[in-house]
Amino acid sequence: DAGVIQSPRHEVTEMGQEVTLRCKPISGHNSLFWYRQTMMRGLELLIYFNNNVPIDDSGMPEDRFSAKMPNASFSTLKIQPSEPRDSAVYFCASSLSSGIIEKLFFGSGTQLSVL
Amino acid sequence: DAKTTQPPSMDCAEGRAANLPCNHSTISGNEYVYWYRQIHSQGPQYIIHGLKNNETNEMASLIITEDRKSSTLILPHATLRDTAVYYCIVRPHGTDKLIFGTGTRLQVFP
Repeated sequence: DAGVIQSPRHEVTEMGQEVTLRCKPISGHNSLFWYRQTMMRGLELLIYFNNNVPIDDSGMPEDRFSAKMPNASFSTLKIQPSEPRDSAVYFCASSLSSGIIEKLFFGSGTQLSVL
Repeated sequence: DAKTTQPPSMDCAEGRAANLPCNHSTISGNEYVYWYRQIHSQGPQYIIHGLKNNETNEMASLIITEDRKSSTLILPHATLRDTAVYYCIVRPHGTDKLIFGTGTRLQVFP
């Protein structure tokens, strides 16, 4: 199993540009999570999906952020327009949920730098 | 939601047991305790979880006090590769959310 796959690994963009981060969860997993990590705020849960449906997006910072999961094998996190304060490492994680989430499997993350 | 309190940092000699404490005095009876770790520049990695009973797997042991107000993660023979930030998390009942705190930075030295 290849694990959770995120792309790109690194993204450098200019303020105002649209940024799209991608995630392929582990095959068979039915829950997907997006986290953001910065030195100041640590690991923050942005949003999570269960069976492709967004369950809790209360961690999404503002309307500039949106996430989709069109099918069980793909999710995107979009920032439009991007700002320098969005610079962070964005992690995607997946899990098999059967009432209780036991293990989250994290990807390697996307290092985003907004200049 | 139960909050956790962990020491910000700890040291451990290689080959010795590392005992990482976590306080969760407001935990409810049906809330699980999870431990994850994050090695520098990698995504967090699941270690172990438990509800009431002590648990052991190939990575570590989890000791939960009888009143469930605290727990200890034990790495029986720490190696240099165990140097990481260790997170103790209480999962709120009825949700799949795992909220990470600031964790304990464990430094294993030769």
